[in-house]
Amino acid sequence: SQTIHQWPATLVQPVGSPLSLECTVEGTSNPNLYWYRQAAGRGLQLLFYSVGIGQISSEVPQNLSASRPQDRQFILSSKKLLLSDSGFYLCARGGGGYGYTFGSGTRLTVV
Amino acid sequence: TQLLEQSPQFLSIQEGENLTVYCNSSSVFSSLQWYRQEPGEGPVLLVTVVTGGEVKKLKRLTFQFGDARKDSSLHITAAQPGDTGLYLCAGAVHTGANSKLTFGKGITLSVRP
Repeated sequence: SQTIHQWPATLVQPVGSPLSLECTVEGTSNPNLYWYRQAAGRGLQLLFYSVGIGQISSEVPQNLSASRPQDRQFILSSKKLLLSDSGFYLCARGGGGYGYTFGSGTRLTVV
Repeated sequence: TQLLEQSPQFLSIQEGENLTVYCNSSSVFSSLQWYRQEPGEGPVLLVTVVTGGEVKKLKRLTFQFGDARKDSSLHITAAQPGDTGLYLCAGAVHTGANSKLTFGKGITLSVRP
């Protein structure tokens, strides 16, 4: 099984509050893991990817950070949310050439 | 940066019609994937094509990878309301476990009963 668990499914947070989104995966060890953000049901923007514990690469400068404390755990965080952080956040696993498996996503609304 | 342009952006058709949508780039990709996404859910992989000129069929869906590996098309025969969704194409520059995908912006398909 290559199941990905994301929670929560929806989240409403005030501007300036912290954020922690968690993603856990099942299946083979040492997976490549990715955080994407999707705006208004359109294309996916890669935020972070990780090829192993403690290894994080950031694709775009932003108000967010990521961590990988365990092999199958990937966390997306922010110390202070901005309105522009609203969106649909997706966690994924896999190698790019072989297709990704996505979680069911978290809809974040910053108010 | 590799860009993928998908067209048309929106498509609304009647049940039973055929349709073709496109994914184009000026870059060469090692492989290209198509995903379908329903509202509030993550994308689900439909197919991966890796060889230039390759054609793959998945029931009523036919996927083709361009000879130069820069573009792809998706043809749906006799569309059904269950085909409604956002269709995303994504290209990988390197095969193997450590490549990253570039996604197009997607095609929103609505099939009316």
